[in-house]
Amino acid sequence: ILNVEQSPQSLHVQEGDSTNFTCSFPSSNFYALHWYRWETAKSPEALFVMTLNGDEKKKGRISATLNTKEGYSYLYIKGSQPEDSATYLCASRSMDSNYQLIWGAGTKLIIKP
Amino acid sequence: GAVVSQHPSRVICKSGTSVKIECRSLDFQATTMFWYRQFPKQSLMLMATSNEGSKATYEQGVEKDKFLINHASLTLSTLTVTSAHPEDSSFYICSARTSGFHEQYFGPGTRLTVT
Repeated sequence: ILNVEQSPQSLHVQEGDSTNFTCSFPSSNFYALHWYRWETAKSPEALFVMTLNGDEKKKGRISATLNTKEGYSYLYIKGSQPEDSATYLCASRSMDSNYQLIWGAGTKLIIKP
Repeated sequence: GAVVSQHPSRVICKSGTSVKIECRSLDFQATTMFWYRQFPKQSLMLMATSNEGSKATYEQGVEKDKFLINHASLTLSTLTVTSAHPEDSSFYICSARTSGFHEQYFGPGTRLTVT
C-alpha cells in the first residue's frame, strides 16, 4: 500500500510567525514529490516539484526540502501572512504507483491576524 | 496561463438521476485528463485517467459503468455519474496535463450531493 502522510492535519499560526509541516512518502522507486496550495473554492495551485535528494526549492516566503532516502519533505513558510491560509497538499510519484500521483490528506493552515 | 475550469461547482440531484460534470482546459491542450474524488478529511483519490480520443483507464474499485468518462477533444472531458446514490455524494475534481509530465493543472472541483 502506497501511503503519503501529512502532519499536522491542521495548524493555527500567528501572523508574522514562521511555520513548517511535513510530508512523508514511500522512498522506494521514488520519482517526484509535488506540493500544492489549495485555497477554499479555488483550484489547487502547484508550488513545487522536486525530484532529487537534497533538492531545495523556494518561492517568495515559501520553501521546501526533499529527502528521498528517508522519504520526507518539509514545507516552510517564513513570516506567515493571512493570504497563506490554505490547505497544503503533497503528492508523491513513483514507479511503484505507475507514476500516478499519490496524495496526502493535506495540512490546513490558518493564519491568525 | 494553464487554467482549468469545471462546471458545475455544486450540484444537488435526486437518487437515481444522472449528473454530468465538465472539465475544460481553457488556454492549453490537455493530452491527459484525470478525475479525482475526495471524501471529507481524506486524500484525493484517482478515479480514472483519460487520453483524448481513447477509452478512460479506471482505477481498481471504480465502476466504469457508473462513472462514464468521455474525453472527446483536447480541451474537454466529462464525467457522468449515472444512477446516482447518496453514497456518491462527494467532491469531484479534474486535472489536466500538457505534454510536460510534471505539469498537472486542476479545476476548482464539483460538490455533488445526492438526496
